[in-house]
Amino acid sequence: GDSVTQMEGPVTLSEEAFLTINCTYTATGYPSLFWYVQYPGEGLQLLLKATKADDKGSNKGFEATYRKETTSFHLEKGSVQVSDSAVYFCALSSSNAGGTSYGKLTFGQGTILTVHP
Amino acid sequence: DVKVTQSSRYLVKRTGEKVFLECVQDMDHENMFWYRQDPGLGLRLIYFSYDVKMKEKGDIPEGYSVSREKKERFSLILESASTNQTSMYLCASRRRIRIEAFFGQGTRLTVV
Repeated sequence: GDSVTQMEGPVTLSEEAFLTINCTYTATGYPSLFWYVQYPGEGLQLLLKATKADDKGSNKGFEATYRKETTSFHLEKGSVQVSDSAVYFCALSSSNAGGTSYGKLTFGQGTILTVHP
Repeated sequence: DVKVTQSSRYLVKRTGEKVFLECVQDMDHENMFWYRQDPGLGLRLIYFSYDVKMKEKGDIPEGYSVSREKKERFSLILESASTNQTSMYLCASRRRIRIEAFFGQGTRLTVV
C-alpha cells in the first residue's frame, strides 16, 4: 500500500537558517504529492503541491520538487522565520490510470519545527 | 474561501458514551473525510464519503461509524467511546475534480 516517511523531528532552528525536511514515499499509480502545515491550535492548511514528476511546488518561500527517480518530495526554505514554527506533514494522493480518485490522503508522521529568534 | 467547520474544538466524554462529531462544508464538495491525528503517527483515515449516503472504510474504521444524509454534512459517530479513542479528529472535504483537500480546525476529544 501507499506510505509516506518523513524525517524524524523535532527540528529546532534559529531565525534565517536554511530548512530541509525530508520526505520519501511509496505508491502505486501516479501520485500527487503535498505538504500541509498545521499552526498551533489549528487544522491543516495546504502549503504546496506537485502533480507530476519534476514539478516544483512553491508557496511562502517554501519549495519542494517531485523526484520520481528517488521517490522524494523534500521541503526546503532558504531563510526561516519565527512565524514558520508549526507541524509540517508530507502527504500523497494516489490516482488510478484515469486520473481520478476519491482524494484519499496518506500522511507522513509529521515534523515539528520550532524557530527561535 | 472554502470553509470546513467542525462543531466542537474540545470535547470530554465518558467511557461508554455515544459521541457525535459533526462537520459541515460550504463549498458543495462531493468528497468528505474523517481523519484521526496522533503524535508520531500523523493522520490516519477513518472513513470517507464520496456522495450523499455513500461511505467507505478507511484504514482504521473499527469503533467508528459515519453518516452523510446531506451533501454538506458528514458526521463521525463513536458508538461506545473508549479511552483509546482520545485523539484529535480532523474533517476534510474536496471537490471531486480537484486534488486539494480542505481541513476543519479539528476536535480534540478526551475520553475519561
